[in-house]
Amino acid sequence: GEDVEQSLFLSVREGDSSVINCTYTDSSSTYLYWYKQEPGAGLQLLTYIFSNMDMKQDQRLTVLLNKKDKHLSLRIADTQTGDSAIYFCAERGSNSGYALNFGKGTSLLVTP
Amino acid sequence: NAGVTQTPKFQVLKTGQSMTLQCAQDMNHEYMSWYRQDPGMGLRLIHYSVGAGITDQGEVPNGYNVSRSTTEDFPLRLLSAAPSQTSVYFCASSGDKGDIQYFGAGTRLSVL
Repeated sequence: GEDVEQSLFLSVREGDSSVINCTYTDSSSTYLYWYKQEPGAGLQLLTYIFSNMDMKQDQRLTVLLNKKDKHLSLRIADTQTGDSAIYFCAERGSNSGYALNFGKGTSLLVTP
Repeated sequence: NAGVTQTPKFQVLKTGQSMTLQCAQDMNHEYMSWYRQDPGMGLRLIHYSVGAGITDQGEVPNGYNVSRSTTEDFPLRLLSAAPSQTSVYFCASSGDKGDIQYFGAGTRLSVL
């Protein structure tokens, strides 16, 4: 399938902002998602954005979408140690019905 | 509101054994899917279904069978387990719009 690319690791200090980046290749993607996964746990939907939007803000989370460059980012303001987790970018592409195409995940480490 | 329920949570099999991973949703969703998650690989689509009686293959279908006799249930069958099928398996469902996919808590499977 189409590739969704993410950097593998990010380390930030508590209180700083975190920015996790993602690039996707399916220009027909209608929805793009950010999921959070804590160790040994399932997937938690953090937020999603429809492809006709440029930005979506939800409390500490800001999603930016650059459709021309097929680039998606997730900014977490005032990052806390509880934000340490793996963050997955996913696109709902044009194949396989509503199936999601996931990136490999970015492991975020927040240090005190 | 149970959402998406997966059973069992953990399973250990010997090579060659068969088993069925259960997935049930109580949201009357038409679309259901199975993913597997391997370290460093993100989630990959195994099989999906767009409604009762309709199933199709995803990215990594070999070694797995599915059926969809009811809207609520979408079991995943391993006919002859192999060590390469050691993974975490997630089931997901989505309504008509397909904008939000709800994930189960996962089944952690080890094949020895």
